Amino acid sequence: AQRVTQPEKLLSVFKGAPVELKCNYSYSGSPELFWYVQYSRQRLQLLLRHISRESIKGFTADLNKGETSFHLKKPFAQEEDSAMYYCALSGKGAQKLVFGQGTRLTINP
Amino acid sequence: NAGVTQTPKFQVLKTGQSMTLQCAQDMNHEYMSWYRQDPGMGLRLIHYSVGAGITDQGEVPNGYNVSRSTTEDFPLRLLSAAPSQTSVYFCASSYSSRDDGYTFGSGTRLTVV
Repeated sequence: AQRVTQPEKLLSVFKGAPVELKCNYSYSGSPELFWYVQYSRQRLQLLLRHISRESIKGFTADLNKGETSFHLKKPFAQEEDSAMYYCALSGKGAQKLVFGQGTRLTINP
Repeated sequence: NAGVTQTPKFQVLKTGQSMTLQCAQDMNHEYMSWYRQDPGMGLRLIHYSVGAGITDQGEVPNGYNVSRSTTEDFPLRLLSAAPSQTSVYFCASSYSSRDDGYTFGSGTRLTVV
């Protein structure tokens, strides 16, 4: 079964501080991992996908198969990073995408 | 190019009523999915489809029906609305979830009283 766990429902950091949003997964095969972001009053949008290994808006995420984790990191938080962040997993056949519970990130000035 | 369009944006139903949430995409995506978003629960998959004529159940399918007669449309039907179905519903589509990620609609906020 596919399962994604985001242990922190809420995370609050100060502007300029480092940010790490945790994501752990359970999947028996080779997963594809994603981070999605939902800004206030906007639709969900793709932030990162592990297969592309890209950095978007200063965020990076590394897939650690040994620890079954895909944590999202940013060295210096900005106020515009305040949003809801979802980790998601696509498994065998890539037919469905399963999400974690989400973490609401608040950046304090 | 409109992307993923959901209608209506808001809806209030009485318990026991039925209704259909519409979802259409103009990107020729094969994959389409319906999610519900509830506080503290994240997004939970209701039903999904990998192409016209093919649908399958997700994590929380009870009380919902879907069909996929065309590539563009993927309506979600509530057969007999219950207060537990009060939620925000999102439709999403993808050419391939492994490569491009899903594109989401703007959501339908449903209240069942």
